[in-house]
Amino acid sequence: DQQVKQNSPSLSVQEGRISILNCDYTNSMFDYFLWYKKYPAEGPTFLISISSIKDKNEDGRFTVFLNKSAKHLSLHIVPSQPGDSAVYFCAASLQGAQKLVFGQGTRLTINP
Amino acid sequence: ETGVTQSPTHLIKTRGQQVTLRCSSQSGHNTVSWYQQALGQGPQFIFQYYREEENGRGNFPPRFSGLQFPNYSSELNVNALELDDSALYLCASSLGRFRWDEQFFGPGTRLTVL
Repeated sequence: DQQVKQNSPSLSVQEGRISILNCDYTNSMFDYFLWYKKYPAEGPTFLISISSIKDKNEDGRFTVFLNKSAKHLSLHIVPSQPGDSAVYFCAASLQGAQKLVFGQGTRLTINP
Repeated sequence: ETGVTQSPTHLIKTRGQQVTLRCSSQSGHNTVSWYQQALGQGPQFIFQYYREEENGRGNFPPRFSGLQFPNYSSELNVNALELDDSALYLCASSLGRFRWDEQFFGPGTRLTVL
């Protein structure tokens, strides 16, 4: 039962353009969402988060949008830079639960 | 301030054997979570330890067990290894059980079961 899904295994974007990574979830009780970035041979690194009471959160080049009615969130990176090439995971948590539920990840490649 | 470290980096075992993976938390962190990441998948929650007690468990059988020590370092033990246990095992530490934004992951231990 995959409660958090990232349907695009990979995405290729030209440097300077916008990267949009998508994530869908099935459990309407999720109340907090996060995006992580993972380089090879390193653990995931926290990027940005959003509470279910908000629909947008911005941090520099990164913006996360949450559409609760569609059970969908997206991460926008603008402008995309070569150092953004990595695997991106979305994750969700239930209030009071001790675990994060992760999506399968999307490999983002930024081309010069 | 040191980050989260894990040992060993890589490990090869045969089916039926037992393995112990180790995790050193970031300084001052009292919560450790363990995750299994199979190839091409996202991390899956195994369990969490908070102040030396198991504080939540994912859908993993009892042959997956753990410990957290008074210095908040942690071990993951897996008995009777199966081929499907081959994965990257990640630990993550935080100051508190629900501090997701402040949860830091180690680089992982790559376990191969032959």
